Amino acid sequence: QVQLEQSGAEVKKPGASVKVSCKASGYTFSNFGISWVRQAPGQGLEWMGWISGDNANTRSAQRLQGRLIMTTDTSASAAHMELRSLTSDDTAVYYCARTDTVTTVVMDFWGQGTLVTVSS
Amino acid sequence: QSALTQPRSVSGSPGQSVTISCTGTSRDVGGYFYVSWFQQHPGKAPKLLIYGVSKRPSGVPDRFSASKSGSTASLTISGLQAGDEAEYYCCSYAGSYTLVFGGGTKLTVL
Repeated sequence: QVQLEQSGAEVKKPGASVKVSCKASGYTFSNFGISWVRQAPGQGLEWMGWISGDNANTRSAQRLQGRLIMTTDTSASAAHMELRSLTSDDTAVYYCARTDTVTTVVMDFWGQGTLVTVSS
Repeated sequence: QSALTQPRSVSGSPGQSVTISCTGTSRDVGGYFYVSWFQQHPGKAPKLLIYGVSKRPSGVPDRFSASKSGSTASLTISGLQAGDEAEYYCCSYAGSYTLVFGGGTKLTVL
């Protein structure tokens, strides 16, 4: 069965970077992309970006461009999301989601989420 | 992009039907047939309910249905059950390979 297993919770200081990993299993990793979505405490979902499974294409939300780096490691069936220059506004649960590569919009399986806390 | 507009909350009694709206613009909901709906229970990851405006993934009961008219998409849940109590989010393609979510709607089953 399709599973996405994310790395554990992180606590970071303002200005630092955080890297969240997403290990996929149960499907051919390169045939799908990975989306990243975050959710601040008590808030709604925010789309961050998408990367193709073969690491060839990325798309990201304009407000995060320059701070968001998405990569994949096809040999390990894993995706990584790095967010730089953190502020308290980046405190959120970060999710990865398997996403189709044709429309890049169908997020059908999700990881369990990774809590990132930014605090001095 | 601005978030899609959803009602903050809706409610219904067991067995009844409720409809949640999701209003966007011609640059997102109105311009494409790429609207998805997600259900999220507290402390859990979102679950895909609907994609491509009205298609249900395998395993999603047909009590969940959806449609779109112009720039407004709608999710209807019929035969309400206690387990349907959750937050519901719409999501639309917004051009240039970007997506935008709605603000979320809390469904209360009375």
